[in-house]
Amino acid sequence: DQQVKQNSPSLSVQEGRISILNCDYTNSMFDYFLWYKKYPAEGPTFLISISSIKDKNEDGRFTVFLNKSAKHLSLHIVPSQPGDSAVYFCAASGMGGGSQGNLIFGKGTKLSVKP
Amino acid sequence: GAGVSQSPRYKVAKRGQDVALRCDPISGHVSLFWYQQALGQGPEFLTYFQNEAQLDKSGLPSDRFFAERPEGSVSTLKIQRTQQEDSAVYLCASSLASGGVLAKNIQYFGAGTRLSVL
Repeated sequence: DQQVKQNSPSLSVQEGRISILNCDYTNSMFDYFLWYKKYPAEGPTFLISISSIKDKNEDGRFTVFLNKSAKHLSLHIVPSQPGDSAVYFCAASGMGGGSQGNLIFGKGTKLSVKP
Repeated sequence: GAGVSQSPRYKVAKRGQDVALRCDPISGHVSLFWYQQALGQGPEFLTYFQNEAQLDKSGLPSDRFFAERPEGSVSTLKIQRTQQEDSAVYLCASSLASGGVLAKNIQYFGAGTRLSVL
């Protein structure tokens, strides 16, 4: 049973608009969440993270929101740029997923930003 | 470079062959993780090292998979008697520490080794 779910396999957005990528999790013991970005033939690159004691973390054009009661997080990219086109993975860690800090990943969402 | 380095980038093996995949973590990183990524899926945890100690190998799919990190730096993932279902990208990640919610636990990934078993 998947503990981290990204229900949208793909998302297409116009350049300059907002991209919203969603992620749901089932295990309430997760206490740290991360977003990774992956280009073809490269490894995942860390983008932004949030701990369970916060509900928002912002870094430039990227903001992650966490709704613990709904077990839901989202990544907002504003404004979206063509270079943001990649696969985005949501990942979680904590005592529920892995006591040593290993990450539990979703299946990813492929974002396409059109000029 | 300063990032996580993996070799080879691509490996083709005949079914039944043994393979060895290498990972050079970021210098000074205590923790090292191996993940397996099948096509269209997210990475899945295989095993974890803290320095030279393998503290968790719960994700290794069978006893044909073996990992080591003898000096607490470079790690090798070995797969014996490869099977077609072993075909995947094998990712290595390292972090300064592990556990807790501190920024130093962020994992940095290598580009992976794509293994194809024919």
